[in-house]
Amino acid sequence: DAGITQSPRHKVTETGTPVTLRCHQTENHRYMYWYRQDPGHGLRLIHYSYGVKDTDKGEVSDGYSVSRSKTEDFLLTLESATSSQTSVYFCAISESSNYGYTFGSGTRLTVV
Amino acid sequence: QQQVKQSPQSLIVQKGGIPIINCAYENTAFDYFPWYQQFPGKGPALLIAIRPDVSEKKEGRFTISFNKSAKQFSLHIMDSQPGDSATYFCAARGGSTLGRLYFGRGTQLTVWP
Repeated sequence: DAGITQSPRHKVTETGTPVTLRCHQTENHRYMYWYRQDPGHGLRLIHYSYGVKDTDKGEVSDGYSVSRSKTEDFLLTLESATSSQTSVYFCAISESSNYGYTFGSGTRLTVV
Repeated sequence: QQQVKQSPQSLIVQKGGIPIINCAYENTAFDYFPWYQQFPGKGPALLIAIRPDVSEKKEGRFTISFNKSAKQFSLHIMDSQPGDSATYFCAARGGSTLGRLYFGRGTQLTVWP
């Protein structure tokens, strides 16, 4: 989607290795979110940010950490990847708390 | 605890039919209710949204009906087309949630030609 880029698009990694996913936006939006999507579970919030260095946990934050040192970048780190973290990860941005999200195209992560 | 409950999980209709997807919520602080459409391999995209001061909103063939007293809202797709085949998510936001949306689990819609 225009204005928001996720990288990589696909990744295969081994159990126990750290993995970092990147979300980059050019919209200068304050709010950024990381979701995971799994069949039967829909979209579940991992972490979110409401400003530079301001982050908070979502409903499925165990095993994940985030950092936001610049407005445009929001990084999601799997500290020690497990097979249960195999999923499609989506980043989303929002201009304010009164508006909807714009989602990125997703990162498909496979942990073997 | 699921904040937004969505049904059905899957839906199959013939071209021209009117699929209806329903969502329910409990938190009366919610004040923004969007619907997202997702095609395979893509991220969800905002389709239509409503605020609780109106009972209905239409955009093209898509209509949201909102019942504040029942804490329910639904998506209707008029004259459905095969190109509408996608996964649909309802969501809700409000209160002190710092802008975060709570999503339903999604409905996979198939429209047969």
